[in-house]
Amino acid sequence: AQRVTQPEKLLSVFKGAPVELKCNYSYSGSPELFWYVQYSRQRLQLLLRHISRESIKGFTADLNKGETSFHLKKPFAQEEDSAMYYCALIGSQGNLIFGKGTKLSVKP
Amino acid sequence: GAGVSQSPSNKVTEKGKDVELRCDPISGHTALYWYRQSLGQGLEFLIYFQGNSAPDKSGLPSDRFSAERTGGSVSTLTIQRTQQEDSAVYLCASSGAPRDEQFFGPGTRLTVL
Repeated sequence: AQRVTQPEKLLSVFKGAPVELKCNYSYSGSPELFWYVQYSRQRLQLLLRHISRESIKGFTADLNKGETSFHLKKPFAQEEDSAMYYCALIGSQGNLIFGKGTKLSVKP
Repeated sequence: GAGVSQSPSNKVTEKGKDVELRCDPISGHTALYWYRQSLGQGLEFLIYFQGNSAPDKSGLPSDRFSAERTGGSVSTLTIQRTQQEDSAVYLCASSGAPRDEQFFGPGTRLTVL
C-alpha cells in the first residue's frame, strides 16, 4: 500500500527552538517525496523535494529508506514558519499521496 | 506568469443540486490533477489528466463525481446530486510533465446545506 503518515496533528514550539516534523511512508520501490506548506490564506506550495537535496527557508529533509522516513527539520524556528505542513509522495499513477498534515505553531 | 486559477472561489448549494467547478491550469502544463481537502480526510486525490490520455479516475469517491478536460487545458469537475459530505475545498493542480512539481490553485470551497 502507498501511504504517508504524519503522526502529529499539531506541533507548538517557541521562536528560536529547533523543530522536527515527522513523516513516515509506505511505498514499494524508490519513493519520490515532497514537503508542501500552506500558510494562512495562501495556496498550497512546494517547500522541498528529496531529489533536489536543497535547503529552503532553512528547512531540510533527509530520506531515510531504512526507517522509511522523511522528517522535516529546522534548527531555529521563526514565527513566519507557522503554517500547515504536508508530507507527500508521488503514487504509481503520478498523483500526490498526502499525509494528514501537521500544523506548526511558532510562539514568540 | 499566471498560476493555476479556479472558479468560483466559494460555492454554497443545497443538497441534491449539481455543481460545476472550474480549473485553468498553467499554460503549457500537460498534467492536471483534482484533489479534495476536508477536515476529516485531509488531502485526497480525485482524478488526473495527462495530455490526451484517458484520465485516471481511481480517486473519485462515487459515480456522482465526474470531470472533463477540454482541449487539453481547462478542466471542469462536476458533482451531481450533492450531499453534505461533499462539503470541502476542491483543489486543482497542474504540472509541466508527469511527476514534476505540482502547482496548486487557490481552491473552491464548496458548502452543501
